[in-house]
Amino acid sequence: QKEVEQNSGPLSVPEGAIASLNCTYSDRGSQSFFWYRQYSGKSPELIMSIYSNGDKEDGRFTAQLNKASQYVSLLIRDSQPSDSATYLCAVFSGGYNKLIFGAGTRLAVHP
Amino acid sequence: DAGVIQSPRHEVTEMGQEVTLRCKPISGHDYLFWYRQTMMRGLELLIYFNNNVPIDDSGMPEDRFSAKMPNASFSTLKIQPSEPRDSAVYFCASRRQGDSPLHFGNGTRLTVT
Repeated sequence: QKEVEQNSGPLSVPEGAIASLNCTYSDRGSQSFFWYRQYSGKSPELIMSIYSNGDKEDGRFTAQLNKASQYVSLLIRDSQPSDSATYLCAVFSGGYNKLIFGAGTRLAVHP
Repeated sequence: DAGVIQSPRHEVTEMGQEVTLRCKPISGHDYLFWYRQTMMRGLELLIYFNNNVPIDDSGMPEDRFSAKMPNASFSTLKIQPSEPRDSAVYFCASRRQGDSPLHFGNGTRLTVT
């Protein structure tokens, strides 16, 4: 089992819709979770961090965490073509040392 | 505040040559990470340093790979000899102590022919 798992996609949504990206992790002791966005040919950039169970909202983005189910998700409301990118879920492993990334989900928002 | 700085941005070399990738972390960051990204394997952690000391190099694929961090503001990743399968984008990233997130450099795209 991989430490961090994501569906590779592509996830295709129409402009204006809600995009839902999911991630599961294997380390029950993990406490910190991050979503990164990576445009083609660019480096990953942090868009959300979440540390507690529940929802965290930032603009059009909402991160959801359920530690009991070892599940993290990212919702993007009012999706725009500019949101088309690969979204990487990342989880700290071994305490606050190694940040392990999932393989990423490719999102395509079409007009 | 300057971000993580990597050089070169692109490197094309022939099989068997030595390759050195360079990284300057964000000032004040205690951790430095080297990742490799390919389509097939995604983003793989190669090695990370805490306060200039290598902590975990279990991701380094072979003895051909080595990394150093002689001081808090500079790190190198060296491949000797390079092989075509080493072709990838290599990212350096840094962060503070605790549960702070990683900040990535722009990466070095390495092509070994």
